[in-house]
Amino acid sequence: NAGVTQTPKFRVLKTGQSMTLLCAQDMNHEYMYWYRQDPGMGLRLIHYSVGEGTTAKGEVPDGYNVSRLKKQNFLLGLESAAPSQTSVYFCASVPGGSPINEQFFGPGTRLTVL
Amino acid sequence: GEDVEQSLFLSVREGDSSVINCTYTDSSSTYLYWYKQEPGAGLQLLTYIFSNMDMKQDQRLTVLLNKKDKHLSLRIADTQTGDSAIYFCAERLKTSYDKVIFGPGTSLSVIP
Repeated sequence: NAGVTQTPKFRVLKTGQSMTLLCAQDMNHEYMYWYRQDPGMGLRLIHYSVGEGTTAKGEVPDGYNVSRLKKQNFLLGLESAAPSQTSVYFCASVPGGSPINEQFFGPGTRLTVL
Repeated sequence: GEDVEQSLFLSVREGDSSVINCTYTDSSSTYLYWYKQEPGAGLQLLTYIFSNMDMKQDQRLTVLLNKKDKHLSLRIADTQTGDSAIYFCAERLKTSYDKVIFGPGTSLSVIP
């Protein structure tokens, strides 16, 4: 099992450009999450999904959109990138009905917006 | 409100014990977690404690929970250079989607 993978690992964008980050998991997990990690702020939840075809907003959803057309994939889109979106983005997945709710994280995508 | 706080840095000598502290605000927490992040990698669950427990031991790791003070600590015995990483405290809240709040992370540096 590859676990949780993220594509790309690094990206540099100019202000106003768009891009999509891909998260894939091969563990048949129900829940998937997108977080951003900024220095001294921990992880903040952007959007999440509790199953195929469903998405919902987290704490900091503005400027981002998501889709979960297939259970194994969770896409995060930036329509018009801004310097404030420079961050490290992590995807995580959780098996449905897990009492412990262990989150399995991908390796992250480091995004710089100039 | 929901908030998890930790000191940002800790430095210890190899072989000593490390104690990383965390405070949280939401009393409805069900599970509390410690995640470890090594350089350039994602977070990985290190250990967890259910909210009705006050202590959990797992090899070199000891987790202490003081619910009254909303204080969680992680003790690493005989700290090794391989323990150098960022440690995140997190709490799971009773919500519709298993909301987890992460602290800012404590960067542990182990001096040989």
